[in-house]
Amino acid sequence: QKEVEQDPGPLSVPEGAIVSLNCTYSNSAFQYFMWYRQYSRKGPELLMYTYSSGNKEDGRFTAQVDKSSKYISLFIRDSQPSDSATYLCAMSPQRADSWGKLQFGAGTQVVVTP
Amino acid sequence: ETGVTQSPTHLIKTRGQQVTLRCSSQSGHNTVSWYQQALGQGPQFIFQYYREEENGRGNFPPRFSGLQFPNYSSELNVNALELDDSALYLCASSFWGQNYGYTFGSGTRLTVV
Repeated sequence: QKEVEQDPGPLSVPEGAIVSLNCTYSNSAFQYFMWYRQYSRKGPELLMYTYSSGNKEDGRFTAQVDKSSKYISLFIRDSQPSDSATYLCAMSPQRADSWGKLQFGAGTQVVVTP
Repeated sequence: ETGVTQSPTHLIKTRGQQVTLRCSSQSGHNTVSWYQQALGQGPQFIFQYYREEENGRGNFPPRFSGLQFPNYSSELNVNALELDDSALYLCASSFWGQNYGYTFGSGTRLTVV
């Protein structure tokens, strides 16, 4: 079983809809939770990060972490065709021997249709 | 402020050959991590370099090795290439001790035939 599970999709939504993405994980030591966006033929770009549990909002993006359920979510409001990309969740423990070692999900491909 | 740059962008090698991939860190960053991303998968951690020494390694064999230079740029070397080494290789830079906020390059697409 992988430490981080993420539905690969594809997830197709009409323009203006809310995109809902999620990941589950098994390692209770994870403390940092990140969402990256990756366009085709590009490297991952950090969208948001959260430390421990709670919600975080940045413009059209909202990240949620539920450590009790080992479940994280990313919501994209008012989705645009330019949001079409692969979204990767990533996690890391707060330990010196884990610095730099992000554990990624497989990524969910999102397609926003005009 | 410059981001992370990687070279080359694409590479085709024959099984058994050796390859060197290069990475220039984002300005101000002192730590470099390398990741392998197979098609349809998330990136997998290979190793991290800080102060020119390997500091942390993922589940990759010793034929994957690296270097970090005084200007914080880095190389990834892979010996005895196998077909399964075909992937996108990503370099990420950060500050030492940071658990988040890594800046990734666009990667090198390696194809082993």
